[in-house]
Amino acid sequence: DAGVIQSPRHEVTEMGQEVTLRCKPISGHNSLFWYRQTMMRGLELLIYFNNNVPIDDSGMPEDRFSAKMPNASFSTLKIQPSEPRDSAVYFCASSSQGTSQPQHFGDGTRLSIL
Amino acid sequence: AQRVTQPEKLLSVFKGAPVELKCNYSYSGSPELFWYVQYSRQRLQLLLRHISRESIKGFTADLNKGETSFHLKKPFAQEEDSAMYYCALSGHASGSRLTFGEGTQLTVNP
Repeated sequence: DAGVIQSPRHEVTEMGQEVTLRCKPISGHNSLFWYRQTMMRGLELLIYFNNNVPIDDSGMPEDRFSAKMPNASFSTLKIQPSEPRDSAVYFCASSSQGTSQPQHFGDGTRLSIL
Repeated sequence: AQRVTQPEKLLSVFKGAPVELKCNYSYSGSPELFWYVQYSRQRLQLLLRHISRESIKGFTADLNKGETSFHLKKPFAQEEDSAMYYCALSGHASGSRLTFGEGTQLTVNP
């Protein structure tokens, strides 16, 4: 298995533009997580899905952020419109459902909003 | 509510010295505890979990329910151990969701 696959690896765009981050979880995993990592705030959980259903989106900063999981093998995190303070590394992770199951992380998308 | 605290944001030791990264948690039930490691500009990787009771790369961690701690230890640090370490907790009530600590940046000096 190739692991969790995220694209793009890097994104640089101007403020106000729409940004879409993509994630392919490990086949067979039914939980998917989106995190944001910054120097100031560390690792923050934005939203997670179980069986394609959003369970907890309380970490989503504001309405400019949205996430979807149309099927078991694909998820997107969208920011519209983007702002410079959204600059961060965004990680996707997946796991089998269950409390003792470890999460497997993707390589992350390094997002810079100018 | 569940909470994980890593009191040290930065920790610096010399090669060959013992190292301990502290982790304290707050959870009313029986938690599952994990340590994740992130080497420079790489993805987070699972280092170890308390239910496995294993030693990975010379690191061990013991769950102390009395002190609500899960400190990560290694008797002799190596330069390649330099990385960001995150302690994480999963509680039965939250399903597979993990709560991460703030992370500790470990630097092992030659």
